[in-house]
Amino acid sequence: GAVVSQHPSRVICKSGTSVKIECRSLDFQATTMFWYRQFPKQSLMLMATSNEGSKATYEQGVEKDKFLINHASLTLSTLTVTSAHPEDSSFYICSANDRDRGSYEQYFGPGTRLTVT
Amino acid sequence: SQKIEQNSEALNIQEGKTATLTCNYTNYSPAYLQWYRQDPGRGPVFLLLIRENEKEKRKERLKVTFDTTLKQSLFHITASQPADSATYLCALEGGGFKTIFGAGTRLFVKA
Repeated sequence: GAVVSQHPSRVICKSGTSVKIECRSLDFQATTMFWYRQFPKQSLMLMATSNEGSKATYEQGVEKDKFLINHASLTLSTLTVTSAHPEDSSFYICSANDRDRGSYEQYFGPGTRLTVT
Repeated sequence: SQKIEQNSEALNIQEGKTATLTCNYTNYSPAYLQWYRQDPGRGPVFLLLIRENEKEKRKERLKVTFDTTLKQSLFHITASQPADSATYLCALEGGGFKTIFGAGTRLFVKA
């Protein structure tokens, strides 16, 4: 099956700093990737749809200047949390479809646990 | 407003029994519906997809039904095992390639 990796798996940073999370599709090309955040015992909340070579599409209520998304290649999307604050502490997960195979299922990365102190 | 509802209470069952999880939705007309498994601290893993013109789908011990009139999907695990303990997420096609997830139901299978 298709594999998506995420790096880092866990990060602790101080308030006011920025953190970059990488999402890679390892064995397929992903024209579109998705970024989610998840609070404990809650649903995955879609933050944005990342499109290769163009601007990301953000969901309502998600600050695009705070959560910078770059999808520079067909296998890599990055999410940068700028000027992080404790309320940004969460589990961030990326996913991708393998649309070339006509597949609708999402392949998820293992997630990144962000803790802002 | 649009909603995807899954039973927020955990489901506890005995090993060997059939687990049945429910997903109800309102104000969506999804072309397909998916079920995922999520273990603590991990990303979800795809299990099954069922299209709007399909009533039932099976994969090994898993069975999914999809009733577009009732706006409901049922997810069954037969002959459940302790290793099936996890959170199970229902997900709908939300338009524009987006997938919208329910909050999930936690399943505990006791040996």
